[in-house]
Amino acid sequence: DGGITQSPKYLFRKEGQNVTLSCEQNLNHDAMYWYRQDPGQGLRLIYYSQIVNDFQKGDIAEGYSVSREKKESFPLTVTSAQKNPTAFYLCASSIGLAGAYEQYFGPGTRLTVT
Amino acid sequence: KQEVTQIPAALSVPEGENLVLNCSFTDSAIYNLQWFRQDPGKGLTSLLLIQSSQREQTSGRLNASLDKSSGRSTLYIAASQPGDSATYLCAANDYKLSFGAGTTVTVRA
Repeated sequence: DGGITQSPKYLFRKEGQNVTLSCEQNLNHDAMYWYRQDPGQGLRLIYYSQIVNDFQKGDIAEGYSVSREKKESFPLTVTSAQKNPTAFYLCASSIGLAGAYEQYFGPGTRLTVT
Repeated sequence: KQEVTQIPAALSVPEGENLVLNCSFTDSAIYNLQWFRQDPGKGLTSLLLIQSSQREQTSGRLNASLDKSSGRSTLYIAASQPGDSATYLCAANDYKLSFGAGTTVTVRA
């Protein structure tokens, strides 16, 4: 079965702690993305990666970091510098970065920071 | 910066009625427009992708139209069913996806 997996489904952390969200895909896609979703708002792009060892900031990158050491994996770290980290985080992938490529999404991780 | 708007924010219809969901975008220089479905607490499921050169795309009871020049797309769902209850999101792709806030649909049995 090809797809995108995100773990864990729910994550709880204390304020001031860094936390890493996992995203893995076996679709052989080059491009991967991280989005954040808040209630009543559309998805906002945090980071994206076109190829291994390369990634770019999206619209709301402050307080987040990523790595892309393997084609299949694109983990997101929510640092203590992120002022309002509680949200639903979605990972996506596509064959390529730009152009007529459909994006496929994982099931999401709900992060709650107290 | 691309701005995407979806109206209405919520919609409630009796079973069997046709659904019309609207999406507008500010920059017409897009590669494509994608419609997604999201169930509560879940990820996004892609429904339809319309390339910028296309006027419409169909899949089963779903039909999406695209008018690039006016910055509009419409998703039609024929003969709605309770299982169609979900939030529907549109996203304009101009090298990255810009999302609307979604339309939450409730189909009453």
